[in-house]
This record gives sequence, structure tokens and C-alpha cells, in this order.
Amino acid sequence: AQSVTQLGSHVSVSEGALVLLRCNYSSSVPPYLFWYVQYPNQGLQLLLKYTTGATLVKGINGFEAEFKKSETSFHLTKPSAHMSDAAEYFCAVSGPGGTSYGKLTFGQGTILTVHP
Amino acid sequence: EPEVTQTPSHQVTQMGQEVILRCVPISNHLYFYWYRQILGQKVEFLVSFYNNEISEKSEIFDDQFSVERPDGSNFTLKIRSTKLEDSAMYFCASSPRVSSYNEQFFGPGTRLTVL
Repeated sequence: AQSVTQLGSHVSVSEGALVLLRCNYSSSVPPYLFWYVQYPNQGLQLLLKYTTGATLVKGINGFEAEFKKSETSFHLTKPSAHMSDAAEYFCAVSGPGGTSYGKLTFGQGTILTVHP
Repeated sequence: EPEVTQTPSHQVTQMGQEVILRCVPISNHLYFYWYRQILGQKVEFLVSFYNNEISEKSEIFDDQFSVERPDGSNFTLKIRSTKLEDSAMYFCASSPRVSSYNEQFFGPGTRLTVL
């Protein structure tokens, strides 16, 4: 069974500082990997995803993530935090080869706070 | 931009009562999902739905739960006899195609409180 662990339920950074949100997965084969963001009173919005190919993936709003198979990780980064980045971030995995209907398995979420 | 909508945003009910949570997926999407998040816990998959039948369901999705697409636009989740532990945020999602790597588009959620 797949599982996802996000290290740190709360991360606080200063505006302009590096954002690093950690995600590790457990799967018998490398899964497909996703980062979603949730702003207050809104649904989960896809930031980026890794399926195959280049292991460094760029997403919206200046975020990127790197798939590291040897470390079973998919950490999310942004070089310079903005106040508007304050939200809850979810790492998720899906497939491949097993579930064919796209079921997502989520981590517990990380709340990002950005200080002026 | 098309979006998934959910109603109501907050539902309060008494234990043992039936509730129906409603979702309107994006119009050209074919695959539909329900997830839930109990306060302080992970977002959990409940069920996926395609071509008017359940494709996959989790252990959580027992006989108390059912899903339906009654009119070609709405997608509903019914809980027949609510329990205290059903209190959670319920998210609906839709996708234009089924694949493990396709994006799912999520609604804002319905917060269900069972008293």
C-alpha cells in the first residue's frame, strides 16, 4: 500500500526566504507524485506533478519539486516566499500499475505561514 | 475558468439522520471522486465513479454510503444514518480522463458536523 509523509505540519518563513516543504512516500514502485495547495475556503488546486521524465518539475506560482527515487522524496521548494503563498500544502501519490482510476493518497498537509 | 462546486458549504445534522452532499463537477469531465478529511487527519479517498457506477471504493465507504449522478450534472454522496465519526470535510473532485497521472479538480468542500 502507498503512503505519504509530510515532515512538519506547520512551516513558518519570512517573506523573501526559501520555502522547503518535505514529502516522502512509500511505494513498491515509484508512483506518480503531486503537490496540491489549498487556500482558505477554496478547493485543492494542483501546483505541480511528476509522472515520468525530468525529475525537476516546475509548477505554478514559482514552485518546483524534485523527484529523488533513491530518497523516496518529492520536496517542494520556492526560492523566495511571498505573503500570498500562505496556505496549506498537500503532497499526494497515485498509481502506477495498480489503481487504474486515479485514486490519490495524501499526506497530512503542511500549513505554510509567511511573515512580513 | 470552470470549477467544481459543492453545496452546502456547511451541514449540521443529528446522529442517525440521512444527509446528501451535492457536487457539480466540471461539465465535460467523466470521472468523479469523493474524499474526506477528518479534522487534524489526512485527506482520505472514499470512492471513484465512472459511467454511472462505482469504479473503486475504500474500506471507509461501507453500506451507509452511496453515490449517484441523478441528472447528468450533479454528483451526490449520501450517508444514510450519520455517526459522530462522520464529521469531516468532504471534497468532491472530477477529472476529464482516468489515469493515475491525471489532475483531479477539487471543489471547496462541505463541512459536515454530526451532533
